[in-house]
Amino acid sequence: EAQVTQNPRYLITVTGKKLTVTCSQNMNHEYMSWYRQDPGLGLRQIYYSMNVEVTDKGDVPEGYKVSRKEKRNFPLILESPSPNQTSLYFCASSRKLTGQSQETQYFGPGTRLLVL
Amino acid sequence: DAKTTQPPSMDCAEGRAANLPCNHSTISGNEYVYWYRQIHSQGPQYIIHGLKNNETNEMASLIITEDRKSSTLILPHATLRDTAVYYCIAEGAGNMLTFGGGTRLMVKP
Repeated sequence: EAQVTQNPRYLITVTGKKLTVTCSQNMNHEYMSWYRQDPGLGLRQIYYSMNVEVTDKGDVPEGYKVSRKEKRNFPLILESPSPNQTSLYFCASSRKLTGQSQETQYFGPGTRLLVL
Repeated sequence: DAKTTQPPSMDCAEGRAANLPCNHSTISGNEYVYWYRQIHSQGPQYIIHGLKNNETNEMASLIITEDRKSSTLILPHATLRDTAVYYCIAEGAGNMLTFGGGTRLMVKP
């Protein structure tokens, strides 16, 4: 089954304790991205990756890191989490974005993070 | 990227058609109109997209006005499981999508 998976689904942590949220897709998609969703603010993009070893900042990258060493995986790293990073996080993937085609984005189930 | 305007919320009776409007008056010629929905904190789900012509698939129909300044997503026979937030996005080919506030559709028995 084609899917995007995220782990963990729920996480409670404390300020300053490094954490990683994993994202994996089995559709051989080139493009992957991370969003956070907060009440009243909609979905905001954190980082995205056009392909292996190619990453770039989205709208709200501060406090986050990503890596894309393999095509299928795109982990989100919070080196020193703070309470304002408490949010619902979504990973998404799609085939390569080109100027000639539109590709559906597939979203993971979400990771709910609480930073105390 | 063009901005879109959607009503914050709408109600629809179960079994009736749900018509969700979207205004994108500043859309440019190469920008598509996309619709996604999000059911209760699950990941957003693609519904449909179009450029100029009306489109239909197994989930919904998309009606785009001739001047492309607005569009309507139609769910022909809404069910309780269609209760969700619906996002209308106008974006150019190859660009990443920006999700706004969307319309919260409540389907009532």
